[in-house]
Amino acid sequence: AQTVTQSQPEMSVQEAETVTLSCTYDTSESDYYLFWYKQPPSRQMILVIRQEAYKQQNATENRFSVNFQKAAKSFSLKISDSQLGDAAMYFCAYRSMYSGGGADGLTFGKGTHLIIQP
Amino acid sequence: EPEVTQTPSHQVTQMGQEVILRCVPISNHLYFYWYRQILGQKVEFLVSFYNNEISEKSEIFDDQFSVERPDGSNFTLKIRSTKLEDSAMYFCAGGTGQYEQYFGPGTRLTVT
Repeated sequence: AQTVTQSQPEMSVQEAETVTLSCTYDTSESDYYLFWYKQPPSRQMILVIRQEAYKQQNATENRFSVNFQKAAKSFSLKISDSQLGDAAMYFCAYRSMYSGGGADGLTFGKGTHLIIQP
Repeated sequence: EPEVTQTPSHQVTQMGQEVILRCVPISNHLYFYWYRQILGQKVEFLVSFYNNEISEKSEIFDDQFSVERPDGSNFTLKIRSTKLEDSAMYFCAGGTGQYEQYFGPGTRLTVT
């Protein structure tokens, strides 16, 4: 079974600064997807970014980018120019690509609470 | 942009009662999922549903849980006899089977 670990329960950053959230995972599979989801106080789960394991290029979505290190099984999220609206819980998630087809559920980490200091 | 919707937003029920949580997925999604998040904990997969049957389920999804898509639109999660430990946020999600899953806003279930 796959596991996802987020070792930072809480991170704090000054507005407009850059912050990196860490995630490591354990899997014996070679093909999979990795995601970062954001959960604001409303508790809605919002997709931030996706990375396919077969892609060497790191995914980028505006101010959000990832550092995907497949050999190290590491998948960190970098938020540039942090904004007050970025304050939320951030969850790293893993999904198998093949074993269950589209039926596989996501495996989540425990989350990192991101605080933005004005 | 279409969104996954869930009703009710908050459900309070007494222990032992049955509850039905409802979800309306995005129309082009083929796979549907239920997740649970106990307060302060991580999101946990319960079940996936495809082609009108359960595809995968976790250890959490025991006999007290059931899912169905009765009218081809709504996707429901039924908890037959609720327990205090069922109190949680329940998220419905959908997807095409590739890539990401799109989550609804969740239903907060409180069992008293």
